[in-house]
Amino acid sequence: EIVLTQSPGTLSLSPGERATLSCRASQSVSSSNLVWYQQKPGQAPRLLIYGASRRATGIPDRFSGSGSGTDFTLTISRLEPEDFAVYYCQQYGSSPRTFGQGTKVEIK
Amino acid sequence: EVQLVESGGGLVKPGGSLRLSCAASGFTFSGYYMNWVRQAPGKGLEWVSSIGSINTYIYYADSVKGRFTISRDNAKNSLYLQMNSLRAEDTAVYFCARDPYCDGGTCYSDYWGQGTLVTVSS
Repeated sequence: EIVLTQSPGTLSLSPGERATLSCRASQSVSSSNLVWYQQKPGQAPRLLIYGASRRATGIPDRFSGSGSGTDFTLTISRLEPEDFAVYYCQQYGSSPRTFGQGTKVEIK
Repeated sequence: EVQLVESGGGLVKPGGSLRLSCAASGFTFSGYYMNWVRQAPGKGLEWVSSIGSINTYIYYADSVKGRFTISRDNAKNSLYLQMNSLRAEDTAVYFCARDPYCDGGTCYSDYWGQGTLVTVSS
């Protein structure tokens, strides 16, 4: 199965700053079949990005995804207070679907 | 509005059984793959099982294969997870989720329920 490794584990930033989150796959993810989710404490995950770079419905344009093959990035251009959360990547290019271990974006 | 509401979680002893349900509304349930994902306390997300739109294309994670059974009733807009031979390591919040797109049977989810907690402990 494809192992996804997210880095860093924790990102300490201030509101207004730019956040860059990485997701690296142990083998190439076919067709850029990668998504990003946001999860806040006690809540369900929320889909942000699918197909590596396509924003899901209702997602602000400060969220963007990029990458292909084995290296993917989620960028939050200017952090809003509501963006502090844990972010997970997940691949659906190869069975079984697998998740990264998550990156926590916390207030500095 | 898409809604997914899980129920059936609780405290169960090792070796016991539990049946989770997920009631869906706000979309044409029969048109979508569905799946269960779990999250152990303080841990990340782990895919558990998926089912195609008409009780076909059923898949399980190796960690639950032979112990868990996924099913659905499209007439009742409901998804189920029968969990047998439960172990301490099955303790988690179990989410049901809708899969809008699959590539070769592997999917991603766009809507998730709030989850139901399963605790396996003596």
